[in-house]
Amino acid sequence: DADVTQTPRNRITKTGKRIMLECSQTKGHDRMYWYRQDPGLGLRLIYYSFDVKDINKGEISDGYSVSRQAQAKFSLSLESAIPNQTALYFCATSDSYRSGYTFGSGTRLTVV
Amino acid sequence: AQKVTQAQTEISVVEKEDVTLDCVYETRDTTYYLFWYKQPPSGELVFLIRRNSFDEQNEISGRYSWNFQKSTSSFNFTITASQVVDSAVYFCALSGAGSYQLTFGKGTKLSVIP
Repeated sequence: DADVTQTPRNRITKTGKRIMLECSQTKGHDRMYWYRQDPGLGLRLIYYSFDVKDINKGEISDGYSVSRQAQAKFSLSLESAIPNQTALYFCATSDSYRSGYTFGSGTRLTVV
Repeated sequence: AQKVTQAQTEISVVEKEDVTLDCVYETRDTTYYLFWYKQPPSGELVFLIRRNSFDEQNEISGRYSWNFQKSTSSFNFTITASQVVDSAVYFCALSGAGSYQLTFGKGTKLSVIP
């Protein structure tokens, strides 16, 4: 099994729908992150969490919410999806600033 | 604040040529780490290397080499004798002791033409 698992891998949804992207990890890391990737823009941080009771906004959190259900689980929700949220979404985990990230395989989301 | 600049948006080379991907960073932290990740067409992000701010030795791993120069705040990546399988987007990233996240450059798309 992968260290960081994202579900679904691909999703097409309609404008206005609520959608949840899930992430689970077996690394035992406290830090979890959600990033969004758009062509030419690199990876931008949406939300991050350093433990179950700690949730923080990143640079592009508008239109998104998250839930840290357990140390190993960190979900990203789009309350009312819009087409410009079409992107590749990555979940990542880390145990400190020294070690970099372990990434999930990504979720390709298309909002039509 | 941290910043990573990858000025080369796209590079094309012919197979077997050498290619260098540039990375320039900014940070106020005296202790920090630099990373390179590869994103092949399949989309996953693959870790390539980590370097801390106190270790300026260059590193070589097979056809890959990295040149870290604190004086110019650069951490460049060279692929020797490029192959088609090297075609990917490459990201440089920075993590400082005072930061909560890994800051990424916008990436350089490398195309190796047979």
